[in-house]
Amino acid sequence: SQQGEEDPQALSIQEGENATMNCSYKTSINNLQWYRQNSGRGLVHLILIRSNEREKHSGRLRVTLDTSKKSSSLLITASRAADTASYFCATYFYSGGGADGLTFGKGTHLIIQP
Amino acid sequence: DVKVTQSSRYLVKRTGEKVFLECVQDMDHENMFWYRQDPGLGLRLIYFSYDVKMKEKGDIPEGYSVSREKKERFSLILESASTNQTSMYLCASSLRQGALGYGYTFGSGTRLTVV
Repeated sequence: SQQGEEDPQALSIQEGENATMNCSYKTSINNLQWYRQNSGRGLVHLILIRSNEREKHSGRLRVTLDTSKKSSSLLITASRAADTASYFCATYFYSGGGADGLTFGKGTHLIIQP
Repeated sequence: DVKVTQSSRYLVKRTGEKVFLECVQDMDHENMFWYRQDPGLGLRLIYFSYDVKMKEKGDIPEGYSVSREKKERFSLILESASTNQTSMYLCASSLRQGALGYGYTFGSGTRLTVV
């Protein structure tokens, strides 16, 4: 089952502009993670934000978390052509049988136009 | 550099064949996962494992089985491949998420075509 849902599904902007994508989720979380996937490749972990954090930065990435609204946003500043990729948010699940892991949304496909 | 290695990047198999997809990680992670990814459907969890010989079903386990005989290796088995199993298969590993949370490390994926 998918907990996180990204919005928009697709986003096309000009190089140099900022890109913002959002993630909404349904149940309480202890952390939320963002991943990037270049075409035809595996996902790469970008950033993790914990439930007691409101904002986190990593290079040109800024992630915010609003637990009252059950939402998160990923901002990429000064976008580059190499940022063209799909971006996924992921939230924690516990199986009840001893295992835990992440549930991924369907992703936002970001295209940076040169 | 730590990594998750999937044995094949591209694979073409015939309907009815038994197919093995192998995944090896070198990070001593407890958790390992198999996902399939299809356009418009995102990543769907097939099976996962939190220890040697331990496995749990994900959201779409039908038609698949798994094996984890060693901590570093997690195999996905398609018992009798069908055309609707044509997909990108992604393996990932992580530490137990627990309260702190940890990122996944993904393999590069195996694009399987069943003809």
